[in-house]
Amino acid sequence: EAQVTQNPRYLITVTGKKLTVTCSQNMNHEYMSWYRQDPGLGLRQIYYSMNVEVTDKGDVPEGYKVSRKEKRNFPLILESPSPNQTPLYFCASTWVAGYNEQFFGPGTRLTVL
Amino acid sequence: AQKVTQAQTEISVVEKEDVTLDCVYETRDTTYYLFWYKQPPSGELVFLIRRNSFDEQNEISGRYSWNFQKSTSSFNFTITASQVVDSAVYFCALSERETSGSRLTFGEGTQLTVNP
Repeated sequence: EAQVTQNPRYLITVTGKKLTVTCSQNMNHEYMSWYRQDPGLGLRQIYYSMNVEVTDKGDVPEGYKVSRKEKRNFPLILESPSPNQTPLYFCASTWVAGYNEQFFGPGTRLTVL
Repeated sequence: AQKVTQAQTEISVVEKEDVTLDCVYETRDTTYYLFWYKQPPSGELVFLIRRNSFDEQNEISGRYSWNFQKSTSSFNFTITASQVVDSAVYFCALSERETSGSRLTFGEGTQLTVNP
């Protein structure tokens, strides 16, 4: 089954403790990205990657890092989470072209105390 | 810069009513793509439709229909004979051909509540 998976789905952590949210897709997509969803703001792109070892900032990259060492994986790293980093996170993948629908993961709900 | 506006933050209707969700976009590109996604209470994002800038044909899929008008930069979504299961947040999104990769710019979303 074609899918994008994210782990964990739910996480409670404390301020300042580095954490990683994993994302994996099995569709051989070149393009992967991370979005955050804040109430009333829709989804905004954090980082994206057009292929292995090619990453770039989206609209709201502050406080995050990413890497793309393998085509199927695109982890999101929160170096020092703060309480303002508790939106819903979505990973997405697609083919590079712009006209293809993006396949979204199920979302990760993060709570930073 | 690309921008998507969904002016209706929340809409509440009674079952079987028709409802239209508005979407207005801004782009300087001549080639772009518009999308609608549904986010039910369970939280996942469900793809509904894609439309490219060269195809202004309206589309109907069951109770769903979409009206794309380049002249007014709008891509509105209508649900006919709404049902309780249609209750969700609906997002309109835009992707520009010339933009890096396949970045989607989302509107703020419209929360639709269909009451029995």
